[in-house]
Amino acid sequence: QLRLQESGPGLVRPSETLSLTCTLSGASLSSGSSYWAWIRQPPGQGLEWIGSIYYSGNTYYNPSLESRVTISGDMSKSHFSLRLSSVTAADTAVYFCARGGFGYLFLFDIWGQGAIVTVSS
Amino acid sequence: QSALTQPASVSGSPGQSISISCTGTSGDIGGFNYVSWYQQHPGKAPKLIIYDVSTRPSGVSDRFSGSKSGNTASLTVSGLQAEDETDYYCSSYTYSGTVIFGGGTRLTVL
Repeated sequence: QLRLQESGPGLVRPSETLSLTCTLSGASLSSGSSYWAWIRQPPGQGLEWIGSIYYSGNTYYNPSLESRVTISGDMSKSHFSLRLSSVTAADTAVYFCARGGFGYLFLFDIWGQGAIVTVSS
Repeated sequence: QSALTQPASVSGSPGQSISISCTGTSGDIGGFNYVSWYQQHPGKAPKLIIYDVSTRPSGVSDRFSGSKSGNTASLTVSGLQAEDETDYYCSSYTYSGTVIFGGGTRLTVL
């Protein structure tokens, strides 16, 4: 059964780069022609799609974050990553990785438990 | 892109039915049958409960149903149970090839 697990620093200083990794257990990124996504949720707020990477390596980003985001992955392996540059307090959130369900970009059927990231000096 | 519009809260008594609306534009909800709904309990990851407007994933209770009319989608929860009390989010594919979520609705079972 596929499981996802986020990992990375829980504290990032303002203006620096946030880096997180999502590790898959039970599959590789190239399994099932899937999309793999990052989604975040600021404290007490709603969900925000950050972007996705397709098993082919193509990436898709939220226009509001695109200038600061890079999602990458080695499609033969079992992890993909998020980099968000020039962070501010507004980037404090729980960051989730998720699989695009049924081969779709736009719905998410398997989620990691989430990683809390705080931006603070 | 602005978030889809959901009511902040809805409530109902056990056994009753409630609906949560999700309003977008012709560039997202109105243009595609790609609306999804998620249930999120506190401190947990969201769970997919409806996709493609009205399809339930395997294992999701048939008390959850979805529909769409124009630029507004709706999630209906019938036979309300205490365990349904939590947050619900809608999402949609957009004409620009991205994904947008609603602001979330807190369901209270009275």
